[in-house]
Amino acid sequence: GEDVEQSLFLSVREGDSSVINCTYTDSSSTYLYWYKQEPGAGLQLLTYIFSNMDMKQDQRLTVLLNKKDKHLSLRIADTQTGDSAIYFCAESNQGGKLIFGQGTELSVKP
Amino acid sequence: GAGVSQSPSNKVTEKGKDVELRCDPISGHTALYWYRQSLGQGLEFLIYFQGNSAPDKSGLPSDRFSAERTGGSVSTLTIQRTQQEDSAVYLCASSLGAGPNLKETQYFGPGTRLLVL
Repeated sequence: GEDVEQSLFLSVREGDSSVINCTYTDSSSTYLYWYKQEPGAGLQLLTYIFSNMDMKQDQRLTVLLNKKDKHLSLRIADTQTGDSAIYFCAESNQGGKLIFGQGTELSVKP
Repeated sequence: GAGVSQSPSNKVTEKGKDVELRCDPISGHTALYWYRQSLGQGLEFLIYFQGNSAPDKSGLPSDRFSAERTGGSVSTLTIQRTQQEDSAVYLCASSLGAGPNLKETQYFGPGTRLLVL
């Protein structure tokens, strides 16, 4: 069945790069997404990648997709304390519903 | 423009009572989704609507859960005879349409925090 896996925690120092990893199982997913959730808030769409792309860059964010290994990563350059949040990887199935990973809690230390 | 809104933002109820949660999608979005976020289960899909019909109800955890959508806009999620394990954040999302394409990107509301005592 469909499954998305992420590591639960990541801690970095302010100014460093953060890399959040995700693996998924549904090879038919057309788009893969990264959402951000700040404490007490809803989910904010950060970025997405189309499945026929290898990389997408959007300001400080870089998404890498290895379709063969079903591995997706989100790199945040020059991580700031305001980037502290939970980051969810998600794939969409044919029906459109999103299958989420467990979320990676990013902690940025000054 | 206005995003997805949900009400109430918080709800405390007693075990056994019924609750209704409301979602107002982004204007013009035909697809509407309900998800549940709880400590033990993460983010789970519950149900989605395309217009007023619900092609996929596979995520509803029991027959105590139901949802409807009228006029292709507002949706209500009803939980009957609430149990403590229903305590969670209920998130609503909407998209232009349904399916794994870009225009179907889902935008989320702030959620309703439900606590069943």
